[in-house]
Amino acid sequence: NAGVTQTPKFQVLKTGQSMTLQCAQDMNHNSMYWYRQDPGMGLRLIYYSASEGTTDKGEVPNGYNVSRLNKREFSLRLESAAPSQTSVYFCASSRVFQEGYGYTFGSGTRLTVV
Amino acid sequence: SQQGEEDPQALSIQEGENATMNCSYKTSINNLQWYRQNSGRGLVHLILIRSNEREKHSGRLRVTLDTSKKSSSLLITASRAADTASYFCATDGETSGSRLTFGEGTQLTVNP
Repeated sequence: NAGVTQTPKFQVLKTGQSMTLQCAQDMNHNSMYWYRQDPGMGLRLIYYSASEGTTDKGEVPNGYNVSRLNKREFSLRLESAAPSQTSVYFCASSRVFQEGYGYTFGSGTRLTVV
Repeated sequence: SQQGEEDPQALSIQEGENATMNCSYKTSINNLQWYRQNSGRGLVHLILIRSNEREKHSGRLRVTLDTSKKSSSLLITASRAADTASYFCATDGETSGSRLTFGEGTQLTVNP
């Protein structure tokens, strides 16, 4: 089925460990986004890529890096995980970076940092 | 801070009743969108209303937008147990450019 695929679905890390969350979309969308969702906080934008070759910081970028590998793939890296990064991470894509387009979301990665 | 704020935080109704959720936002917007999230799943886009529109329908969904009050409402008519989910409003516009800013959501429970 067409959509946004995230891997892994679950992950437990120890404080200080690193990991990369993978995201791929097969809808030929130009723009991709990483959000984190915490209880009582809604979704907060970490980083986004308006188009292939560009990335920009969102609302909460500290402690994260991203790579727009190609048009399909947008990865999120935690270099040194901290307990405050325990969250559910969602990748999303949209056709273009322009007002008025809905986002397609992946099913999320549930990350626990101990 | 979050641009959109949903009200109520939680809503419990019986199957067949209508459910109304509200969203307020702080700054001028270009568009407002509503999303649904089932437990443990990603968000699903429901409907988009542009700042120059006042009302929009999609199946059992009706969305209104009042830019003078900076508020929107989502009405689900004849609710079903399968409508049980969290509902989020999201805005793009002055503060966020083309990036969506999400509210904290309304948890809707529809009892059979």
